[in-house]
Amino acid sequence: KAGVTQTPRYLIKTRGQQVTLSCSPISGHRSVSWYQQTPGQGLQFLFEYFSETQRNKGNFPGRFSGRQFSNSRSEMNVSTLELGDSALYLCASRQRQAANEKLFFGSGTQLSVL
Amino acid sequence: DAKTTQPPSMDCAEGRAANLPCNHSTISGNEYVYWYRQIHSQGPQYIIHGLKNNETNEMASLIITEDRKSSTLILPHATLRDTAVYYCIVRVDRSFSGGSNYKLTFGKGTLLTVNP
Repeated sequence: KAGVTQTPRYLIKTRGQQVTLSCSPISGHRSVSWYQQTPGQGLQFLFEYFSETQRNKGNFPGRFSGRQFSNSRSEMNVSTLELGDSALYLCASRQRQAANEKLFFGSGTQLSVL
Repeated sequence: DAKTTQPPSMDCAEGRAANLPCNHSTISGNEYVYWYRQIHSQGPQYIIHGLKNNETNEMASLIITEDRKSSTLILPHATLRDTAVYYCIVRVDRSFSGGSNYKLTFGKGTLLTVNP
């Protein structure tokens, strides 16, 4: 079974641009979460989607948005990029919305904002 | 979710057991203890989780104290590939109709270095 797939693996953008990152969850997994990882702040939760609806949101500005499609694939968008948005963006999936499940993470998209 | 405290780094000799401690003194009765690890340049990987009882799987054992204020992750025979940052996370299940929210709050973790 294929794992969580994130594309692209690396991305370079300039300030003010917008970017879209893609995540394909493990087959059969319906919940997708996004996390941001920076050296200073560590791993921080962005949002979680289930059945195309955002279920939970972290403390990030409105420039960060996401969506989930009917096939459970998800995209994350960051508009008006800032230098501080440079980070590793990780997507994670789980099979169903129940307690005590494990999250399966992808390898992430490394975003550099110049 | 309760806060956790872990040592920033630990060393272990290859083939020996690695014992990684975690303090979660403010844990409440319905919070689970989860362990994930992150090998450089990869996403975090689930290891094990538990509520009250000790747990064991193919990767590790989790020992939770009776008062649940601390726990220890044990890698019985550490290998070089176990070198990673290990995160101890406590999490409460916030259920809602049709499912539950699942948000992990990561701390800084423990960098475990396994030496040959």
